[in-house]
Amino acid sequence: GQQVMQIPQYQHVQEGEDFTTYCNSSTTLSNIQWYKQRPGGHPVFLIQLVKSGEVKKQKRLTFQFGEAKKNSSLHITATQTTDVGTYFCAVSRGNKLVFGAGTILRVKS
Amino acid sequence: SAVISQKPSRDICQRGTSLTIQCQVDSQVTMMFWYRQQPGQSLTLIATANQGSEATYESGFVIDKFPISRPNLTFSTLTVSNMSPEDSSIYLCSVERGGTYEQYFGPGTRLTVT
Repeated sequence: GQQVMQIPQYQHVQEGEDFTTYCNSSTTLSNIQWYKQRPGGHPVFLIQLVKSGEVKKQKRLTFQFGEAKKNSSLHITATQTTDVGTYFCAVSRGNKLVFGAGTILRVKS
Repeated sequence: SAVISQKPSRDICQRGTSLTIQCQVDSQVTMMFWYRQQPGQSLTLIATANQGSEATYESGFVIDKFPISRPNLTFSTLTVSNMSPEDSSIYLCSVERGGTYEQYFGPGTRLTVT
């Protein structure tokens, strides 16, 4: 089945530093989504990317979809303590989603 | 986005018993999904529940262990049957927003089996 690899598994950053998580697939993706899960919370939809080379921004978050539609990244500029949580990518497989392993972000203030 | 509630929010159960988890949505949705998330892990899809048809289970999950009901377009239940400690996990329901593939999750049910 369609799998997606997500790295890194963990990242600890100093508040104010940047953070990036990556998702990679061996096959071309129709779309990719990103979710954030705060500690003790449930996953919350952030964004969906559909087009080759697409770049979308949400305040300090920048989402990219690769030209070949096989990879994607989520970049946070100048992290804050409110950014703490686990970031998941997810790809469509038919009418279902397959989630990456997630990247746990910890921010030291 | 839809507002989704789950009951119970958490429970501690004895092995061999069963627990039914309820998921209520504030609007009609075609597809509902049930996931399991073990501590520190990603989400694993258990099954997809469409109103008026049998749930579709993913590899490794069977109806006898995880029976699902979907009586109408706003409600679903997942039962975890004959529980063992290995069933300790967070169980989440989600709905898809109108053909967009975007999913919105309930708050989850934290289950501990002793």
